[in-house]
Amino acid sequence: GAGVSQSPRYKVAKRGQDVALRCDPISGHVSLFWYQQALGQGPEFLTYFQNEAQLDKSGLPSDRFFAERPEGSVSTLKIQRTQQEDSAVYLCASSLGQGKGWYEQYFGPGTRLTVT
Amino acid sequence: QKEVEQNSGPLSVPEGAIASLNCTYSDRVSQSFFWYRQYSGKSPELIMSIYSNGDKEDGRFTAQLNKASQYVSLLIRDSQPSDSATYLCAVNIYAGNQFYFGTGTSLTVIP
Repeated sequence: GAGVSQSPRYKVAKRGQDVALRCDPISGHVSLFWYQQALGQGPEFLTYFQNEAQLDKSGLPSDRFFAERPEGSVSTLKIQRTQQEDSAVYLCASSLGQGKGWYEQYFGPGTRLTVT
Repeated sequence: QKEVEQNSGPLSVPEGAIASLNCTYSDRVSQSFFWYRQYSGKSPELIMSIYSNGDKEDGRFTAQLNKASQYVSLLIRDSQPSDSATYLCAVNIYAGNQFYFGTGTSLTVIP
C-alpha cells in the first residue's frame, strides 16, 4: 500500500516568510510524528498526534512552530517568520498506534527546507 | 548526557563479514527500541524493533537488548555493499510519546 507522503519535497524560503509542510500518513495509522533532522544528526522529535489530538508538542523549538491534524489524517507543520536556523529536513512518520507495532514508525521522504 | 549515544564511526567491514553496531541509552525506564537504516539523502527505514531482553533475529539482522546495561546492538551477518548506510538507534520512554534518536553510525561494506 501507499507509504507516508510529504509535500513539498523541497522548499526555499526567504528569511521571515511563513511556510507550511504537509504530511499524509499511511491510511489507518493513528499516530503521527514530526521530526527535524539537521545534517549529520539523528531526527529530533518535534511533536506527536494521536488521531486529531496533539498529545505532545514539547519538541517544538519556538512558538513560531505550529502543527495541526484537524481530521486525524493529514497533518501540517507551519513555521512562521522563518529563520536560517530552521533550515533542515522535516520528517513525518506514522505508526499504527494500537496493538502490535504500536510504536513502529514509518517515515515519509521528508521536506528539505532551506531558508536564505 | 544525551539520551541515546552511538559511535558515529565510520565503521568499515569487508563484504561477508559481521557488522556490529552499538547503542547506549540513559533512561532506565525505556521500553521500546528500534533500529533504522538511512541511506544518504533518504529518510530512515525501519529495520527492527525489540522490546524484551535478549536477541531477536530477522534474516541477516539480529538485535540484542540488555536493559540492565542500558545497551542495544544490531548485528548484520554476511554484510553486503548494499548495507552501506547510516544506522540510527531510537528509544521510546515507557508511556511517553517521545522518541530519541542517536546521531547514527555510518557503515561502509567494502566489496
